[in-house]
Amino acid sequence: DAKTTQPTSMDCAEGRAANLPCNHSTISGNEYVYWYRQIHSQGPQYIIHGLKNNETNEMASLIITEDRKSSTLILPHATLRDTAVYYCIVRVGGGATNKLIFGTGTLLAVQP
Amino acid sequence: EPEVTQTPSHQVTQMGQEVILRCVPISNHLYFYWYRQILGQKVEFLVSFYNNEISEKSEIFDDQFSVERPDGSNFTLKIRSTKLEDSAMYFCASKRSGTSTEAFFGQGTRLTVV
Repeated sequence: DAKTTQPTSMDCAEGRAANLPCNHSTISGNEYVYWYRQIHSQGPQYIIHGLKNNETNEMASLIITEDRKSSTLILPHATLRDTAVYYCIVRVGGGATNKLIFGTGTLLAVQP
Repeated sequence: EPEVTQTPSHQVTQMGQEVILRCVPISNHLYFYWYRQILGQKVEFLVSFYNNEISEKSEIFDDQFSVERPDGSNFTLKIRSTKLEDSAMYFCASKRSGTSTEAFFGQGTRLTVV
């Protein structure tokens, strides 16, 4: 699985958009970009994933650059409840043995 | 919304004792996983389980660890003889199918070995 690089921490004002970057320059053609988050030692929570097209769901948007070497997770209107560690994970999609390899992630602190 | 349930939420055990951590995955899911997170460290993969057998295990998952799906609903992690360094949060996760991309995690069991 390709290695990812994320900033250690970020701040965001409540109500503003939070943009979390991730670099994955060694990503290969069949690898997806996944985002999970972990709120204060709770179980990780799936947010979104994509291959090459931008994706949007009820939680967030995922913007993947055309060369697929980086991506940005966007929380459009951050709330205090969005304070969490956000993990960008790159791996081949599907399969029984498709474990998730978590890095250190980005600690997003949403400020009132 | 269906969820993965883990019990107990917190377990304290003496070093050398056996512990069993229990998980009830989402009912129509077929793929099961255990992860652990030592305090302040990364979430680490332990083992994946499908079709009543281990699909993959990490270096952490040595002979002291075992997993079982004793009936149609439970998925357990047993640690045979606990060590102080086994103290961690243990997370169970499940996935609906091999082509599913989203894994659902439980809220974890905090294991404290004293």
